[in-house]
Amino acid sequence: DSGVTQTPKHLITATGQRVTLRCSPRSGDLSVYWYQQSLDQGLQFLIHYYNGEERAKGNILERFSAQQFPDLHSELNLSSLELGDSALYFCASSGQVNTGELFFGEGSRLTVL
Amino acid sequence: EDKVVQSPLSLVVHEGDTVTLNCSYEVTNFRSLLWYKQEKKAPTFLFMLTSSGIEKKSGRLSSILDKKELFSILNITATQTGDSAVYLCAVNTGNQFYFGTGTSLTVIP
Repeated sequence: DSGVTQTPKHLITATGQRVTLRCSPRSGDLSVYWYQQSLDQGLQFLIHYYNGEERAKGNILERFSAQQFPDLHSELNLSSLELGDSALYFCASSGQVNTGELFFGEGSRLTVL
Repeated sequence: EDKVVQSPLSLVVHEGDTVTLNCSYEVTNFRSLLWYKQEKKAPTFLFMLTSSGIEKKSGRLSSILDKKELFSILNITATQTGDSAVYLCAVNTGNQFYFGTGTSLTVIP
């Protein structure tokens, strides 16, 4: 158990809908990262938050947004869902930005029908 | 553009073989290089390397970093079926971790 909690574990929804994925980082970790992993692709970086502030953005679609709350949990919002958004979404946390390791949650598997 | 490239893409070996997985990188702000193992679920941490030439070991796994030539290798000796997984290499640039696409290792009994 990495200490990173993600909910829900599985989610099935229809095209055009909106979903919210939630992540609680390890106790004390200030950084939260979101990644998307599709079948034929590796881990695609979406966004990084540090202590409530956005630090870096990857190839995150405009239909996607995220935030980190004062209690350090984070949410990833995916809207106007398309079939191609079906993927495993990982949240990871880190205690140190420069030399820390990433601890991954179990992921949220999103299926868009 | 920052990138991390892993090779080979996949590998099939027999139990007891030794394998070497490669990771090369081109990033503008290197902080550390990390190796992860992923088996149908979340990636699990193996090693973090920050200095060249210092080998990290954990049982049958070992890894080393060359910051001059910008690559790292992960060695697995006496492979077992439980080593079958995707091995991911990642580089930390301070604000994000760039991942390679991974090497899929299959160990046949």
